Amino acid sequence: AQSVTQLGSHVSVSEGALVLLRCNYSSSVPPYLFWYVQYPNQGLQLLLKYTTGATLVKGINGFEAEFKKSETSFHLTKPSAHMSDAAEYFCAVSGSGNQFYFGTGTSLTVIP
Amino acid sequence: GAVVSQHPSRVICKSGTSVKIECRSLDFQATTMFWYRQFPKQSLMLMATSNEGSKATYEQGVEKDKFLINHASLTLSTLTVTSAHPEDSSFYICSASNDRAGELFFGEGSRLTVL
Repeated sequence: AQSVTQLGSHVSVSEGALVLLRCNYSSSVPPYLFWYVQYPNQGLQLLLKYTTGATLVKGINGFEAEFKKSETSFHLTKPSAHMSDAAEYFCAVSGSGNQFYFGTGTSLTVIP
Repeated sequence: GAVVSQHPSRVICKSGTSVKIECRSLDFQATTMFWYRQFPKQSLMLMATSNEGSKATYEQGVEKDKFLINHASLTLSTLTVTSAHPEDSSFYICSASNDRAGELFFGEGSRLTVL
């Protein structure tokens, strides 16, 4: 079975500061891992994903995440936060049949 | 990337009526579609998985007679909320898969408000 834990339901950072959103997973098979962003009253937009290969994955809008098997983690980072990054972020792991399991989400606030 | 479109984006209905939400894959064939429900400030809750031409598989606790799902073609799945009640008010999101591992595309969501 797969599951995802996102530590910190709310994260606040100053504009220009490092963004770090944490995600840990459990999976009985090699996982596919994803980060999605959701703006108010909108669907989910894929930021980045890890399937195989390089463990450091770069995504859109300057975000990146590193798959660490030993730590069962897939934390999302961005070197410098922008006001437009304020949104809800979801980590997800996919299992068989493309069934996705989502974390509870982290709300990112960027302080000017 | 592939595009999934949901319609309507917002709908308001009276208690007791039925509401249909459509989910379309615009530029690919979706053999599998998923329906999620999202409460305010919460994560997505998988409601059901639908495969084209077969009955949907509902998650535990989701009433199949309440939330009717039809996946009649490779590009369209519909969710009908029957005899809507105020507690059915929520944000409903669909996603579609083209069966490539790790490929899942989300619709824009539909906000249902039941008065």
